[in-house]
Amino acid sequence: SQTIHQWPATLVQPVGSPLSLECTVEGTSNPNLYWYRQAAGRGLQLLFYSVGIGQISSEVPQNLSASRPQDRQFILSSKKLLLSDSGFYLCAWSVLRERTQYFGPGTRLTVL
Amino acid sequence: GENVEQHPSTLSVQEGDSAVIKCTYSDSASNYFPWYKQELGKRPQLIIDIRSNVGEKKDQRIAVTLNKTAKHFSLHITETQPEDSAVYFCAARWETSYDKVIFGPGTSLSVIP
Repeated sequence: SQTIHQWPATLVQPVGSPLSLECTVEGTSNPNLYWYRQAAGRGLQLLFYSVGIGQISSEVPQNLSASRPQDRQFILSSKKLLLSDSGFYLCAWSVLRERTQYFGPGTRLTVL
Repeated sequence: GENVEQHPSTLSVQEGDSAVIKCTYSDSASNYFPWYKQELGKRPQLIIDIRSNVGEKKDQRIAVTLNKTAKHFSLHITETQPEDSAVYFCAARWETSYDKVIFGPGTSLSVIP
């Protein structure tokens, strides 16, 4: 069966520091991968999606970037964190014909 | 543009009563409508979904209805229990190259024992 991992689970970072969040998927090949952000008490904002290795599309301009160095690995990065980057970051995967998106356990990021 | 609206934003019901959450979507090309439940501090979990060629789907105490003409769909939870308390998100999917899904803003459901 498919499994999705995210780490770290929680992170506290100072403003201006770099960021790297990792997501890996097991049990499937060539998944579509997604990064979402959820501010406290708010909905799900799609940040990036990827349909294959090295293929990244951004939904909203922001202080973040994403990379997909391997088929089942998706990385979210920032060179300098802002206070507004705080939130719950969720990675998700889907397989095109199966339609459903499944979420990872998330990383709770606090920028101080 | 693509948009999913969801109402109400908060809902409080007595244990045993029914809860109904309604969503509308903007793009008639939408063909798949999942519902997710998110408990506090946890990831969203798929609880039920419906495809555009189906009008209603039921799974125990949960049912979803779809009206494609009116572009709205609803989640019905019967005999609510305290463990149903959570935030519920509706979503609509467009069949593009990457399974684009637009989420509603969420409904915070509280079931009072």
